[in-house]
Amino acid sequence: DGGITQSPKYLFRKEGQNVTLSCEQNLNHDAMYWYRQDPGQGLRLIYYSQIVNDFQKGDIAEGYSVSREKKESFPLTVTSAQKNPTAFYLCASSRLPVLGEQYFGPGTRLTVT
Amino acid sequence: GIQVEQSPPDLILQEGANSTLRCNFSDSVNNLQWFHQNPWGQLINLFYIPSGTKQNGRLSATTVATERYSLLYISSSQTTDSGVYFCAAESNFGNEKLTFGTGTRLTIIP
Repeated sequence: DGGITQSPKYLFRKEGQNVTLSCEQNLNHDAMYWYRQDPGQGLRLIYYSQIVNDFQKGDIAEGYSVSREKKESFPLTVTSAQKNPTAFYLCASSRLPVLGEQYFGPGTRLTVT
Repeated sequence: GIQVEQSPPDLILQEGANSTLRCNFSDSVNNLQWFHQNPWGQLINLFYIPSGTKQNGRLSATTVATERYSLLYISSSQTTDSGVYFCAAESNFGNEKLTFGTGTRLTIIP
């Protein structure tokens, strides 16, 4: 089955620890995205990548880092510099060059205490 | 950047009723999508509709690009339609990224 997988579904961490969220897609999409969603809010873009070994900051990149070493994978690291890391994180992908329909993974709920 | 506004923010309806959700955007767009977020958080693609009209079963959508709005119609609502509906748009002058509205929370009562 083609799709986007995110793991784990739930993640708990202590304050001050870095944590990496996984995102894998087998849709052969060029572009991948990370969004953050807070309760009762819409989605905000953290980082996106249109090609391997290249990525751009979104609207709320501070305290996050990403890598794109493979077309299929776009992991997100939530660093200790992120002041409010507890949130629901969603990964998405789409075809290029013209921005096509975005498809989303099931998300990871991160709780930092 | 582009602004995306959705209305109403909340909608409570009886099962079987029809509903119309609205999305206004501030720039001309080359990408507009409607999503349904289910209670488990998964975003389900409903429509990719930068212009025109599409229908899929009980759901249909219309985007009037020249007037900068899109409408999502749900007919004969079912309890499984409950959740949050998001509109997202990319401006013609944009940089390959979507901007999301804050959503409409739809609750269907049996």
